[in-house]
Formats: sequence, structure tokens, C-alpha cells
Amino acid sequence: AQTVTQSQPEMSVQEAETVTLSCTYDTSESNYYLFWYKQPPSRQMILVIRQEAYKQQNATENRFSVNFQKAAKSFSLKISDSQLGDTAMYFCAFMGYNNNDMRFGAGTRLTVKP
Amino acid sequence: EPEVTQTPSHQVTQMGQEVILRCVPISNHLYFYWYRQILGQKVEFLVSFYNNEISEKSEIFDDQFSVERPDGSNFTLKIRSTKLEDSAMYFCASSEQGNGGYTFGSGTRLTVV
Repeated sequence: AQTVTQSQPEMSVQEAETVTLSCTYDTSESNYYLFWYKQPPSRQMILVIRQEAYKQQNATENRFSVNFQKAAKSFSLKISDSQLGDTAMYFCAFMGYNNNDMRFGAGTRLTVKP
Repeated sequence: EPEVTQTPSHQVTQMGQEVILRCVPISNHLYFYWYRQILGQKVEFLVSFYNNEISEKSEIFDDQFSVERPDGSNFTLKIRSTKLEDSAMYFCASSEQGNGGYTFGSGTRLTVV
């Protein structure tokens, strides 16, 4: 079974600084998808970034980028120029290529300080 | 931007009562999902639905749960006899293709008393 581990329950960063959130996963599949979701205090789940395992190039979305290390089964999220609105829970998630269910990590609570 | 709409946003029910949580997925999406998040815990998969039938379900999704797409727009989750431990945030999601990148709704907070 696939598992997703986020080893940092809480993190904080100063506004405008850069922060990296860690995620590791376990799978025997070679093709799969990885995601980072943001959950602000409103509790809505918002897709931040998506990576397809067969693509070597790291995905980027504006200030958000990932460091995908397939051999190490690592998928970290880097947030550059952190903003107060980035304060939220961040969930890493895994989905197998032929599956419909998404497996989430336990989340990292990020606080951006002014 | 298209949204997944969930109603109600908060529901309080007595233990043993039936509840129906409602979702309107994005209109051109074909895959539908329910997830739940017990307060302070991780988001857990319940069920996926495609082509008018359940495609996958988790061990959480036992006989007290059911899903239905009664018309072309709504997607519902029914809990037949609620238990205290069913108290959670329930998220509906939809996707155009079955390869992730879901759009989640804003959730229904279910409180069983």
C-alpha cells in the first residue's frame, strides 16, 4: 500500500523568505502522480501543484516549485517569497497511475510571520 | 472559474439519524469522489464514482455509506445511521480525467451529537 509521510508537523517562515516542506512516499509503482494541496483556515482544499512521475522536469507554479527525486521517493515543496496568505496546512498526496484514490500525508502547518 | 459546490456547509444531526450530503461537481467532469477529514487528522479517501457506479472504495466506506448521482448534476453521500465517529469534514471532488488534479468543494462539516 502506498503511504505518504510528512515529517514536519509545523513550520514557520518570515514574510518574503523561502521555505521548503518535505514529503516522502512509498510505492512499488513506476508511474504515478504527486500533488501538493493547500488548506487555509477556510478548510477548502486547493491544488497547489501537480507532478507526473514520468516527467523528470520539476513542476513549477509561480512562487511554488517542487524538488522531485524519484529514486529517493521524495517530493518537497518550495515556496519562494512567502506571503501572509500562504499560511495554511499543506498536504502532500499520491495517486497511482491506474487508481482513483488519492493518499494524503498528515500535513504540515505553515505559518508565515510578518 | 468552475467550482464544486457542497451543501450544507455545516450539518448537525442526532446519532442514529440518516444524513445526505450534497455536491454539484463541475459540469464537464466525469469522475467524482468523497473524502473525509476528521478534525486535526489527515484527509481520507472514501469512494470514487465513474460512469454511474462506484469505481473504488476504501475500508471506511462500509454498508452505512452510499453514493448516488440522482440526476445529471448532483452527487450525494448518504450515511444511513450516523455515529459519533462520523463527525468530520466531508469533501466532494471531481475531475475531468481520472488522474488526479481534483477540484475539491469547500466541504460539509458534519457534527453528530
